[in-house]
Amino acid sequence: GIQVEQSPPDLILQEGANSTLRCNFSDSVNNLQWFHQNPWGQLINLFYIPSGTKQNGRLSATTVATERYSLLYISSSQTTDSGVYFCAVELRNRDDKIIFGKGTRLHILP
Amino acid sequence: DAGVIQSPRHEVTEMGQEVTLRCKPISGHNSLFWYRQTMMRGLELLIYFNNNVPIDDSGMPEDRFSAKMPNASFSTLKIQPSEPRDSAVYFCASKGLAGARQFFGPGTRLTVL
Repeated sequence: GIQVEQSPPDLILQEGANSTLRCNFSDSVNNLQWFHQNPWGQLINLFYIPSGTKQNGRLSATTVATERYSLLYISSSQTTDSGVYFCAVELRNRDDKIIFGKGTRLHILP
Repeated sequence: DAGVIQSPRHEVTEMGQEVTLRCKPISGHNSLFWYRQTMMRGLELLIYFNNNVPIDDSGMPEDRFSAKMPNASFSTLKIQPSEPRDSAVYFCASKGLAGARQFFGPGTRLTVL
């Protein structure tokens, strides 16, 4: 089946730093989403980005579908950015099945 | 819109008891997903429905688990009998047509003693 790999698995940064999270996937997909799970366990949909680049405040995401990867950029990190970031892909021709990566755990130090 | 609604938010039960988790998807969404999250296995897809029909239940761990979606606004995940290894956070998520964004409920934290 399709492999969704995220890197790095863990990241510790000082407040104010920038970071780049990566998601590689092994097959063609219909779309790709980025989620943030905050320390209270809530899963928030950040981006729906099958291709191209989108920006939302300090966060932006880029997906290069032909090369099967996506990047999530976080600029000027804040402690509230801490948590786990998941990449999820929707398989092509698989009736909307969505597969999650194992996530990147981000810890922003004050 | 209230978002995806799950109940109960917390459930503590004893081994062998039946557990029923409930989910109300976002109105108008036609796909519903049940996930389980543990420290060891991460986020696992258990089963998902399209237009109330189960499409893929290959993630359901064993026969003790069952899920139903009797109508577009309600789904249940049942564990009978429950075991301590079923302890986890169970999430329900929904989305609209193919390619749409997926939205998660707050989850049900299940503890089986």
